[in-house]
Amino acid sequence: EVQLLESGGGLTQPGGSLRLSCAASGFTFSSYGMSWVRHAPGKKLEWVSTISDSGAKTFYADSVTGRFTISRDNSGNTLYLHLNSLRAEDTAIYYCAKSSRFHNPGDYFPFDYWGLGTLVTVSS
Amino acid sequence: EIVLTQSPGTLSLSPGERATLSCRASQSVRRNYLAWYQQKPGQAPRPLIYGASSRAPGVPDRFSGSGSGTDFTLTVISLEPEDFALYYCQQYASPPATFGQGTKVEVK
Repeated sequence: EVQLLESGGGLTQPGGSLRLSCAASGFTFSSYGMSWVRHAPGKKLEWVSTISDSGAKTFYADSVTGRFTISRDNSGNTLYLHLNSLRAEDTAIYYCAKSSRFHNPGDYFPFDYWGLGTLVTVSS
Repeated sequence: EIVLTQSPGTLSLSPGERATLSCRASQSVRRNYLAWYQQKPGQAPRPLIYGASSRAPGVPDRFSGSGSGTDFTLTVISLEPEDFALYYCQQYASPPATFGQGTKVEVK
C-alpha cells in the first residue's frame, strides 16, 4: 500500500525557515517524480515544486523560486522541501504527491497518491 | 498560465441523483491533459480521472469524464453516500500545472 506521510510543518515568523519531509513507502520511491502542492485558506490548490526520480531535475513555481528548495533521499525514501524567507502568504497545508506516470514514464503529472498534508503557518 | 474555473461552487443533490461538474480552461488544454480529484474532509485527494476521460485504477464506473479543448465535465451517474465531497480539476498540459477552485457536492 502506497503511503506518503508529511511532517515538519508548524508556526514560524515571517522571514523564518522550515524543512518539510515526506516519508514514502509501498512503492519504488527512486523510480518516480515527486511534487509538493499547497492549499492556502480560501485559495486554489497550487503546485509548488517537482523533482525528478533521480533528483537531477527540479522545478519551481514562480512564487517560491529562490526561497524554497526541493530535494530527495532515495536511499531513505524521503522527499524534502526547504522553506526559507517565509511570508504570510506561504501559510498553507503542504501536500506531497507522487507522479502516476499515467501517460508517459517520464511525466511528472498527474498524481496518483497524495499525503494528508502538513500545516505551515507564517505569522508574527 | 492556464486558469481553470469550476462550476458550480456548490452542488446540492440527493443520493441517486446525477451530478454534473464543469471545469473551464482559459486556453485550450493540449492533449486533453486534464485530471479530476476527489477530496473528503481529513483525507488526501484521490484521483478519479486522467486525460479528461480515463478512470484512474479502482474508480467506480459511475464516474466519467468528458470534454476537450477548454470545456471539461465530470459526471457521477448516480450519487452514492460516499460521493459527497470536494472535487478539483487540474490541467497538466502547460506548465505550471494549475487547479480549479473546486466544486463541493453536498447532500440536499
